[in-house]
Amino acid sequence: GNSVTQMEGPVTLSEEAFLTINCTYTATGYPSLFWYVQYPGEGLQLLLKATKADDKGSNKGFEATYRKETTSFHLEKGSVQVSDSAVYFCALSDRAGGTSYGKLTFGQGTILTVHP
Amino acid sequence: DAGVTQSPTHLIKTRGQQVTLRCSPKSGHDTVSWYQQALGQGPQFIFQYYEEEERQRGNFPDRFSGHQFPNYSSELNVNALLLGDSALYLCASSFGSGIYQPQHFGDGTRLSIL
Repeated sequence: GNSVTQMEGPVTLSEEAFLTINCTYTATGYPSLFWYVQYPGEGLQLLLKATKADDKGSNKGFEATYRKETTSFHLEKGSVQVSDSAVYFCALSDRAGGTSYGKLTFGQGTILTVHP
Repeated sequence: DAGVTQSPTHLIKTRGQQVTLRCSPKSGHDTVSWYQQALGQGPQFIFQYYEEEERQRGNFPDRFSGHQFPNYSSELNVNALLLGDSALYLCASSFGSGIYQPQHFGDGTRLSIL
């Protein structure tokens, strides 16, 4: 079956530090990959996505590259801000049973706290 | 343009009761999926509805059922509630259900079972 593994958290950084959150996946087919962010008391917001190998998704200074050879989709940001404090989820959407129904499989989430 | 809306925001029930959660998809979206998010965990897929039919289902018992209406809104019903059903229930909508379509999430319904 499909699965997503994220690096253990929580991650605590100072403002303007470099961020990496590791994500690896297992999929039976050729998935699309996503990063979602969840702020306290809110639902999930799509941060970025990539649908094929070597695609780079980017948004709000965050980037992630779809690496098929290493089955990875690591999230990076060059300079984090206090407002980036949230929970980050890596997810994949794969074909189910030969159809193209996009059920999402999530990792366990990584808590990021950024201090001033 | 309203996003995905869910109601109620919070709900408290006791074991054995039944509950109905509601979701209105983002304007223009026709597919609704439901997820259960336990505290400190990632969301788990419950089921997905398209054209008023359940298209696929995750590993959840039959106590979890749903419905989609002609206006694309959806309900999640849970019968015979257990303590372990306490979680945040998230609704997500998309246009079509292909793997390339990003899903847009509501803020969820926090269900607490006493």
